[in-house]
Amino acid sequence: DIQMTQSPSSLSASVGDRVTITCRASQGISSHLAWYQQKPGRVPKLLIYRASTLQSGVPSRFSGSGYGTEFTLTISSLQPEDVATYYCQKYNRSPRTFGQGTKVEIE
Amino acid sequence: QLQLVQSGAEVRKPGASVKVSCKVSGPMFSPFDINWVRQATGQGLDWMGWLNPNSDNTAYARKFQGRVTLTWDSSTSTAYLELFSLTSEDTAVYYCATSDGYDDNWFDPWGQGTLVTVSS
Repeated sequence: DIQMTQSPSSLSASVGDRVTITCRASQGISSHLAWYQQKPGRVPKLLIYRASTLQSGVPSRFSGSGYGTEFTLTISSLQPEDVATYYCQKYNRSPRTFGQGTKVEIE
Repeated sequence: QLQLVQSGAEVRKPGASVKVSCKVSGPMFSPFDINWVRQATGQGLDWMGWLNPNSDNTAYARKFQGRVTLTWDSSTSTAYLELFSLTSEDTAVYYCATSDGYDDNWFDPWGQGTLVTVSS
């Protein structure tokens, strides 16, 4: 099975900082990657699909890039409401595995 | 867009089974998969499996195979997850989520989640 590894597992940054989260697949998955945001006590929310397509309604400060085995989620200017755990997921074939998550906090 | 409403919280004893439902409403013109994901307290998202209501095809994560069954009731447009031989390790919030059933299987939307507590 393909493994999904996120880094870092947690980070703390200041409001306005640029934040980057990396997701690596153990084998190539083309662009079949999604990113989700989960705020404490809330249901996960789709942010990005096809590695770089922003879901409708998601602020433009979020962006995704990558292909094959290496992907990134970038928040261009961190806002207080972005405090959450972020998960990548491969969805091309079963298993539709998630990364272990990256917890983002404000300094 | 589809909407998913899940059944309420459940409490079970070790060794028992639990059945969680996920009612789907909205325009079901296109095929879709129902996926199930669980999340233990303070832990990450753990994909369990998917079912395609049109074909009845299923796929299960290796760790749950033999212990979970996914079904669909077409008369009520409701998906079910049944998990057997429960242990305390199965205490978690269980989510259903739809995907398109072809190559674009990102999960959206999600149900609100169902807390299953396994305790003696």
